Amino acid sequence: DAGVIQSPRHEVTEMGQEVTLRCKPISGHNSLFWYRQTMMRGLELLIYFNNNVPIDDSGMPEDRFSAKMPNASFSTLKIQPSEPRDSAVYFCASSVAHPVEKLFFGSGTQLSVL
Amino acid sequence: GEDVEQSLFLSVREGDSSVINCTYTDSSSTYLYWYKQEPGAGLQLLTYIFSNMDMKQDQRLTVLLNKKDKHLSLRIADTQTGDSAIYFCAESIEGGGNKLTFGTGTQLKVEL
Repeated sequence: DAGVIQSPRHEVTEMGQEVTLRCKPISGHNSLFWYRQTMMRGLELLIYFNNNVPIDDSGMPEDRFSAKMPNASFSTLKIQPSEPRDSAVYFCASSVAHPVEKLFFGSGTQLSVL
Repeated sequence: GEDVEQSLFLSVREGDSSVINCTYTDSSSTYLYWYKQEPGAGLQLLTYIFSNMDMKQDQRLTVLLNKKDKHLSLRIADTQTGDSAIYFCAESIEGGGNKLTFGTGTQLKVEL
């Protein structure tokens, strides 16, 4: 199994541009999570899906952020327009539901907004 | 509310034991976890413990849980340079769905 696959690995963009981060979860996993990691705020849960349905998006910072999961093997996190304060490492993780949440993380996307 | 705290740094000598501590506030935790993050990589699950247990051992790793004090620790025996990483504790909460709340992370540095 290739694990959770995220792309791109690194993204450098200018303020105001649209950014799309992609994630392919592990086959057979039915939960998918998007986390953001920064030095200041640590690891924050942005949104998670069960069976492709968004369950909790209370961590999404604002309307500039949106996430979709059109099928069980693909998810996107979009930032439009991007701002310098969005610079962070964005992780996607997947798991098989309950009761023990063994999350498998991707390698992350390092986003720099100039 | 959910709040998970850890000390930021720990430095140990190779061969010594490391003890990483974590405190949490929510008394309805179901499982508690330890994850490891190596530089440039995502988090990797090391071990977990059910909230009704007070100890779990897995090779060089020992997890201790004091539910009364809401205190979790991870002991790494015979610490090696390859153990240098950031260690996160996390909890899942009854009624919280699939969510994990992660701690702030402890940077472990192993010196020769």
